[in-house]
Amino acid sequence: DSGVTQTPKHLITATGQRVTLRCSPRSGDLSVYWYQQSLDQGLQFLIQYYNGEERAKGNILERFSAQQFPDLHSELNLSSLELGDSALYFCASSGYRGGDGYTFGSGTRLTVV
Amino acid sequence: GNSVTQMEGPVTLSEEAFLTINCTYTATGYPSLFWYVQYPGEGLQLLLKATKADDKGSNKGFEATYRKETTSFHLEKGSVQVSDSAVYFCALSDKAAGTALIFGKGTTLSVSS
Repeated sequence: DSGVTQTPKHLITATGQRVTLRCSPRSGDLSVYWYQQSLDQGLQFLIQYYNGEERAKGNILERFSAQQFPDLHSELNLSSLELGDSALYFCASSGYRGGDGYTFGSGTRLTVV
Repeated sequence: GNSVTQMEGPVTLSEEAFLTINCTYTATGYPSLFWYVQYPGEGLQLLLKATKADDKGSNKGFEATYRKETTSFHLEKGSVQVSDSAVYFCALSDKAAGTALIFGKGTTLSVSS
């Protein structure tokens, strides 16, 4: 157990739908990062939150959004889902600036049918 | 911008063979460098790291040396085991900019007995 908890582990949904992925960071970590892993694109950084505030944005689509709550857990919202959104979504957490590396959760596998 | 390039896989070795996975990077600042490993069905785990030039990171028999002159961070292991079969990711973090980890595309290692 890495200390980063992601739920659900698997999600199957239809095109056009909306889903929410949840992440609880490791105890004491203030930064949360979301990554998308697909076979053709590899690991793509989506977005980072630090202590409730958005800190950095990567290749995140406008249909996707995220937030970090006062208890530091984070949610990634994916809407108007397309077949191409099928992927593994990882959450990671770190201390300030993440210079010592990140701790990853086990991921949520999203399948859009 | 910052980027990481890894050798393409898959890499197929027999048990006890020597392993090298090449990684080179492009960075505007002075990044920290990491190797992560992903076992089947799991999230990424930090394998080793190096934070400045000439540092050597090591863990579980794996080693990598931060070479600023060649902008490289190659992963090596003297004698691989079947249990080392996994996907290995090289990554960099620009501490000064506080940007998120940037990953290479990953190299799949398959070790047979």
